[in-house]
Amino acid sequence: AQKVTQAQTEISVVEKEDVTLDCVYETRDTTYYLFWYKQPPSGELVFLIRRNSFDEQNEISGRYSWNFQKSTSSFNFTITASQVVDSAVYFCALSEAIIETDKLIFGTGTRLQVFP
Amino acid sequence: NAGVTQTPKFRVLKTGQSMTLLCAQDMNHEYMYWYRQDPGMGLRLIHYSVGEGTTAKGEVPDGYNVSRLKKQNFLLGLESAAPSQTSVYFCASRPGQGFNEQYFGPGTRLTVT
Repeated sequence: AQKVTQAQTEISVVEKEDVTLDCVYETRDTTYYLFWYKQPPSGELVFLIRRNSFDEQNEISGRYSWNFQKSTSSFNFTITASQVVDSAVYFCALSEAIIETDKLIFGTGTRLQVFP
Repeated sequence: NAGVTQTPKFRVLKTGQSMTLLCAQDMNHEYMYWYRQDPGMGLRLIHYSVGEGTTAKGEVPDGYNVSRLKKQNFLLGLESAAPSQTSVYFCASRPGQGFNEQYFGPGTRLTVT
């Protein structure tokens, strides 16, 4: 069975601190995709990144970086020099390797609060 | 290009009432999804559609029905609302086969009293 675990329910940091959001997944598929979505206080879900199971290279996009490690089934997300605008709920998600549906399985989310 | 839109944004129902949530996308996407978001539970898939005229059950389909009569629209119906269906409902779409990200609508906040 597929499962995504975000053990950190809520994290609070002060602006300019670095913060890492953890994501651990379970799947029997050899081909799968992992995602991160951001849900700001306004409520919409914003796509951040997609990573496939064959690509373990870390990715950096501005202040955001992602560390994918198949050996530990983790796909962690780091925000460097956090800002108040980063305050949001962040969801990690897993896509099953069922071509027809590609259903997303979401973790329970981590609420990040960045204080000025 | 509006992306994915949802109607209404907010709604309050009484137990036993019915309603339909509308999701519309103007991106010519094949696949569409309905999720519900509850505190501490993330998003859970209710129903989905892989094309016009098709629907399938997701993780939590009970109490809901869906229809996809037109490619751009995906309707979610509650025939007899229950307080347990109080939630935020999100619609999403994606282009087609392949592991593309899903594009989400802004959500509908539904309260059943």
